[in-house]
Amino acid sequence: DAGVIQSPRHEVTEMGQEVTLRCKPISGHDYLFWYRQTMMRGLELLIYFNNNVPIDDSGMPEDRFSAKMPNASFSTLKIQPSEPRDSAVYFCASSLGQNIQYFGAGTRLSVL
Amino acid sequence: QQQVKQSPQSLIVQKGGISIINCAYENTAFDYFPWYQQFPGKGPALLIAIRPDVSEKKEGRFTISFNKSAKQFSLHIMDSQPGDSATYFCAARTGAGSYQLTFGKGTKLSVIP
Repeated sequence: DAGVIQSPRHEVTEMGQEVTLRCKPISGHDYLFWYRQTMMRGLELLIYFNNNVPIDDSGMPEDRFSAKMPNASFSTLKIQPSEPRDSAVYFCASSLGQNIQYFGAGTRLSVL
Repeated sequence: QQQVKQSPQSLIVQKGGISIINCAYENTAFDYFPWYQQFPGKGPALLIAIRPDVSEKKEGRFTISFNKSAKQFSLHIMDSQPGDSATYFCAARTGAGSYQLTFGKGTKLSVIP
């Protein structure tokens, strides 16, 4: 398996624009997690899904953030409108049950 | 709020030396403690993990020491190598039914020749 695949790897956008980050989990995994990593706050869980259903979105910072998982092989994290303070590395991870979480390589987002 | 406190923020060790990274937690409901290793431009990857029913777990040059009464655990890297240079994160998770990992803020390890 190719692992968790995230796209794009880098995204540069202007304040106010919509940003969509994409994730393809490992085939067969039933949990998908979105994390944000910053120097100040470290790795923070934003939201996670089980069998495509959002289970806990308490980490989503604001209504500007939304996440969807339309099927078992695809998830998106959308920021609309984006702000400079959203600049961070966003990671997607997947797992089979409570087993090891496998992380993607991340998307580095810069909002100017 | 659940927290895991990690120290030091950065660590420089000579090749062949021992690297030690420490973590402390407050929530006694945590029952799974993994360590993740992250290289630049990559996502974190599980390195080694421990449950609180044992005091130590060793995998190759990597050892986790766990002190349940002190609510502390640490990662020891023996015979540190330049290839070990990375950022290390400790994490913790509560029991059955929980899928949320709470991460420490990371330690940037540099192993110099």
